[in-house]
Amino acid sequence: GQQLNQSPQSMFIQEGEDVSMNCTSSSIFNTWLWYKQDPGEGPVLLIALYKAGELTSNGRLTAQFGITRKDSFLNISASIPSDVGIYFCAGPSGSARQLTFGSGTQLTVLP
Amino acid sequence: GAGVSQSPRYKVAKRGQDVALRCDPISGHVSLFWYQQALGQGPEFLTYFQNEAQLDKSGLPSDRFFAERPEGSVSTLKIQRTQQEDSAVYLCASSLSGRAIYEQFFGPGTRLTVL
Repeated sequence: GQQLNQSPQSMFIQEGEDVSMNCTSSSIFNTWLWYKQDPGEGPVLLIALYKAGELTSNGRLTAQFGITRKDSFLNISASIPSDVGIYFCAGPSGSARQLTFGSGTQLTVLP
Repeated sequence: GAGVSQSPRYKVAKRGQDVALRCDPISGHVSLFWYQQALGQGPEFLTYFQNEAQLDKSGLPSDRFFAERPEGSVSTLKIQRTQQEDSAVYLCASSLSGRAIYEQFFGPGTRLTVL
């Protein structure tokens, strides 16, 4: 099936630093979503992207829909301790309604 | 509450027992999804409902898994004769229709442990 490759797998950053992570696919996706999951909770939707080249912000988070439709990027500016968690990219494969998820990027913010 | 709720939050079953997991979606959300999440992995699709109709069950791993949403609201995922490999977090998500179907809101999940 379709696979989404996220990198890096894990990140350790200092509080206040900016963070960048990405997600790539061998196939075209027409929608990209970014979720954050805290331990013991379900994923929480951060940003949805619907158009190639689109750049969308949600507070300190900015995500971009890659122009090739095969990748997406998430940036977090001025990280804070509550940014700790696992970040997943996701998208519908082909005409499917369900989402295919990447394997996640584990973010740790050091004080 | 306004979000998706799931119960129980934790379930321990002995191998061979049947379990039933419940999902209460956001009111008005016609689309409902079940996902399975193994430790250290992203969620993987199990099945999808639009209102009461189960439109896609291609992700169900075996015929021991069964899901229903009889009145188009609450959904139940049932696993018969549980096996150790069924141990995982089961997530329910709901969404609207149209393009918004992809903006899925997840519940906290049910962590199933099969001994």
